[in-house]
Amino acid sequence: QKEVEQDPGPLSVPEGAIVSLNCTYSNSAFQYFMWYRQYSRKGPELLMYTYSSGNKEDGRFTAQVDKSSKYISLFIRDSQPSDSATYLCAMKWVIGNQFYFGTGTSLTVIP
Amino acid sequence: GAGVSQSPSNKVTEKGKDVELRCDPISGHTALYWYRQSLGQGLEFLIYFQGNSAPDKSGLPSDRFSAERTGGSVSTLTIQRTQQEDSAVYLCASSLLQGGDTFGSGTRLTVV
Repeated sequence: QKEVEQDPGPLSVPEGAIVSLNCTYSNSAFQYFMWYRQYSRKGPELLMYTYSSGNKEDGRFTAQVDKSSKYISLFIRDSQPSDSATYLCAMKWVIGNQFYFGTGTSLTVIP
Repeated sequence: GAGVSQSPSNKVTEKGKDVELRCDPISGHTALYWYRQSLGQGLEFLIYFQGNSAPDKSGLPSDRFSAERTGGSVSTLTIQRTQQEDSAVYLCASSLLQGGDTFGSGTRLTVV
């Protein structure tokens, strides 16, 4: 079993839709949770960074962490064609240097 | 520079040759990561540098892989005797603290 599981998609939605992206994980020791956006042939770009459980909002993006279910989500409101990219979740223990990444979900927002 | 710079952006090499990949982190960033991203796979951690501390090499897949970071700045990832399974995008990231939150665009390595 992988440390982090993420549905690769692809996911296709109309412009303006609410998008829900999710990851599950197996190791309850993870405490730091991140979401990255990666455009084709570019490096990942950090979108959201949360510690432990709870919600965090930044503009049209909301990150949720449910540690009891070992489940994290990224919601995108009012999706735009410019949101079309691959979204990667990542997580980390408090101790240690390694980040564990999901395989990424490919999202297309259709105008 | 303004961002993390990686060179070359693309590299095609013959099986068995050695390659060097370069990463110029953001000035002042003390932490530096190398990752490998293969098609359909998530980012695979390779190595982590933090300041003058000994690097965390726990992610290097074999002894053909090595990395250096000179003067706490530029880093070089070296792959010796390349194999076809080494073909991937190699990404570098730097940050002030642990976080790896600024990535370069990567080096796309193809071993033929």
